[in-house]
Order: sequence, then structure tokens, then C-alpha cells
Amino acid sequence: RKEVEQDPGPFNVPEGATVAFNCTYSNSASQSFFWYRQDCRKEPKLLMSVYSSGNEDGRFTAQLNRASQYISLLIRDSKLSDSATYLCVVPNDYKLSFGAGTTVTVRA
Amino acid sequence: EAQVTQNPRYLITVTGKKLTVTCSQNMNHEYMSWYRQDPGLGLRQIYYSMNVEVTDKGDVPEGYKVSRKEKRNFPLILESPSPNQTSLYFCASRWTGAYNEQFFGPGTRLTVL
Repeated sequence: RKEVEQDPGPFNVPEGATVAFNCTYSNSASQSFFWYRQDCRKEPKLLMSVYSSGNEDGRFTAQLNRASQYISLLIRDSKLSDSATYLCVVPNDYKLSFGAGTTVTVRA
Repeated sequence: EAQVTQNPRYLITVTGKKLTVTCSQNMNHEYMSWYRQDPGLGLRQIYYSMNVEVTDKGDVPEGYKVSRKEKRNFPLILESPSPNQTSLYFCASRWTGAYNEQFFGPGTRLTVL
């Protein structure tokens, strides 16, 4: 089993829609998590951190389910600018494990 | 401006010709690392460094070397590049501790013919 697994998508949604996708992780000892955003093979940038049960930042909500070992990201009221690949990142001691990413395309 | 820089951004080379990709950060971070990104595989760590003169292998170190003589610089060296090292490479830095935000350089797209 991979350390971090994501549905690759693509998720193709209209502007204004809500889109959600999950990330599963194998290390039950992981305490917190990250979502990074990557635009078209550019460098990844931190979108949000996820501690305890979840986190909300504007239109973005991340939730953590420790029992089932998955993290979800929900984007409300999608904008064209939300089109990107979203990377799930799981810290483990000094190391970060990256998922392969979920691609979201928002269409006009 | 706080940033991680990499050079070159694009490079096409031939098998066996030694090359170096430079990486520099201006945030005084202790931790630096190199990743390669290939379609469907995500970011895989090549080497990392916890501080000056301290380096260690990541998940895919074969065919690569690194050095950390100064805190701000962490070059990636391919002594004898091969076509399977064609990839997108990212340098990154952060404060020690995996729960800190990691900052990435803009990437180097390498093609080995």
C-alpha cells in the first residue's frame, strides 16, 4: 500500500459548483497533514494545514478522519482560478510523503 | 522576498555529461531537500539535508549526489546522467520539523537524451 493515495481525477466542474475529494494515508501515527496546490507543473505551494478534526479557510474545508485514515478537501463556489492539482502531504518525523495529486478543472 | 531559487530552469543534455543544478534559499532554513516529479508518481525525495555538512538519502538517491557546504546552497549533481533521470526537479527548504511549511523552488525541467 502506498503511504499516501489520492484519486487522480480529473474532476471537471462548472463555476460555482462544490467539489470534494479524498486522500488516504497508511501511517496511523501521523498527527497533522497538509494540502498543497500545484499549478500546471509549477512549484507546489501550501494551501492549508489540517490539525485535529479539520480546518476551514474561506471556500476551502479540509476534514480529517483518523479512524478511517483519510483527509478530504472540499472547495465551495468553485472559481476558474481553482483549476490546479491538489497534493495531499503527510508528515512523518522529518520526512514528507506526497500523494500523486488530484486534478481539478473548473470550467466557465 | 523570501524564496528558493534554482538554476537552470530548463536543461537538455546527453547521456553521461555531468551536470549540476543549483539551489539557494534566503530564509535561513536548516532543512533542504531535492525531489523529482514524474507523471502518476508524485514527488519523490532524492536527498535531504538537516543542516550544513549533514546530508542523507531520500527514497530515490541512485545516480545523484548532493553537498551542503553553506546553509543557503544545496546543489544537485548528476555525475553521469541517463535518460531515466529525465524529470521535473524541485528543490525545497523549511525549518527543521516536518510540520513546518515547505517552500519550493520553481523547478528544473531536465531532459537527458
